[in-house]
Amino acid sequence: DGGITQSPKYLFRKEGQNVTLSCEQNLNHDAMYWYRQDPGQGLRLIYYSQIVNDFQKGDIAEGYSVSREKKESFPLTVTSAQKNPTAFYLCASSGYRNTEAFFGQGTRLTVV
Amino acid sequence: QKEVEQDPGPLSVPEGAIVSLNCTYSNSAFQYFMWYRQYSRKGPELLMYTYSSGNKEDGRFTAQVDKSSKYISLFIRDSQPSDSATYLCAMAGTASKLTFGTGTRLQVTL
Repeated sequence: DGGITQSPKYLFRKEGQNVTLSCEQNLNHDAMYWYRQDPGQGLRLIYYSQIVNDFQKGDIAEGYSVSREKKESFPLTVTSAQKNPTAFYLCASSGYRNTEAFFGQGTRLTVV
Repeated sequence: QKEVEQDPGPLSVPEGAIVSLNCTYSNSAFQYFMWYRQYSRKGPELLMYTYSSGNKEDGRFTAQVDKSSKYISLFIRDSQPSDSATYLCAMAGTASKLTFGTGTRLQVTL
């Protein structure tokens, strides 16, 4: 089945620790995105990548880092510098013209 | 002022009603318009995609775009309890970045 796979579904982290969220797609899409969703705030863009080995900051990149070494993979690291990391994280990808975006099922990160 | 404004709801309607969901935007560069449906604790699912003014129909769903007024709508006919979800509008210009509304929570009651 083609799609976007995010793992894990739930993640708990202690304060001060870095944690990496996985996102893999087999849709052969060039562009990939990371969004954060908080109640009442919609989706906010963290980072996006249009091609391999290139990525750009979104609206709320502070405290996050990404890499794009393979077309299929776009992992997100939530660093200890992120002051309020508890949220629902969504990965997406899009193809030609980078418009229609398809989402994974999300990772819910909780800092304990 | 946000680039995309969307009434957060909640919107409660009886089964069988016609639902109208709306977004307004301020950025004239937006050319592509999407509606997503998101069930609780799930990723958004693409419902409708359009890039021109006018109407686009898909089953019980109709997407309407009015670029002159910077206004888009999603109509759901014969609404069902399974339509209960949060509906997100999204828009993009020539660049790849999508801008989302905050979402409208819809509840369809029996």
